[in-house]
Amino acid sequence: AQSVTQPDIHITVSEGASLELRCNYSYGATPYLFWYVQSPGQGLQLLLKYFSGDTLVQGIKGFEAEFKRSQSSFNLRKPSVHWSDAAEYFCAVMGGGADGLTFGKGTHLIIQP
Amino acid sequence: EPEVTQTPSHQVTQMGQEVILRCVPISNHLYFYWYRQILGQKVEFLVSFYNNEISEKSEIFDDQFSVERPDGSNFTLKIRSTKLEDSAMYFCASSTVDTQYFGPGTRLTVL
Repeated sequence: AQSVTQPDIHITVSEGASLELRCNYSYGATPYLFWYVQSPGQGLQLLLKYFSGDTLVQGIKGFEAEFKRSQSSFNLRKPSVHWSDAAEYFCAVMGGGADGLTFGKGTHLIIQP
Repeated sequence: EPEVTQTPSHQVTQMGQEVILRCVPISNHLYFYWYRQILGQKVEFLVSFYNNEISEKSEIFDDQFSVERPDGSNFTLKIRSTKLEDSAMYFCASSTVDTQYFGPGTRLTVL
């Protein structure tokens, strides 16, 4: 069965500092990979996705993620965080088509002044 | 920009009552999904729906749950007899093929 691990439950970063959120997945083939962000009381907003091709993908709000097959990872990065980035971040995997997404438990990002 | 909408935003019900959660997917999307998120936990897949039938469902989606696309725009999730543990945020999503876009969710509270 597929699974997603986000090892960091909480991360605190200073405003303006760089950010990396970790995601490891378990899947039998090459999966489709996603990062979603959830602000308090809000729905899930798609940040970026990886299906194939260039392993470094760019998303919205200045985020990027790198797919590393050898490490089964899809880490999310941002060079300089803003206070508005404080939210819950979810990594997800699916096989394609009508498959449901399998989500990780999420990483809660706290931005300190 | 088109978006998925859900109604109501918050539903309070008594244990044992039936509830229907409603979603309007993005108009040209073909795949529809329901997920739930119990407070403080991860988002869990419930069911996917394509071509007017269920494509995939999780272990959570038991006989108490059903989905329907009653017309060309709405997609509904029915819980026949709610339990306390059904209290959660329910998200609808839709996609053309592989990228799912989520609605804002319905918070269901079962008393």
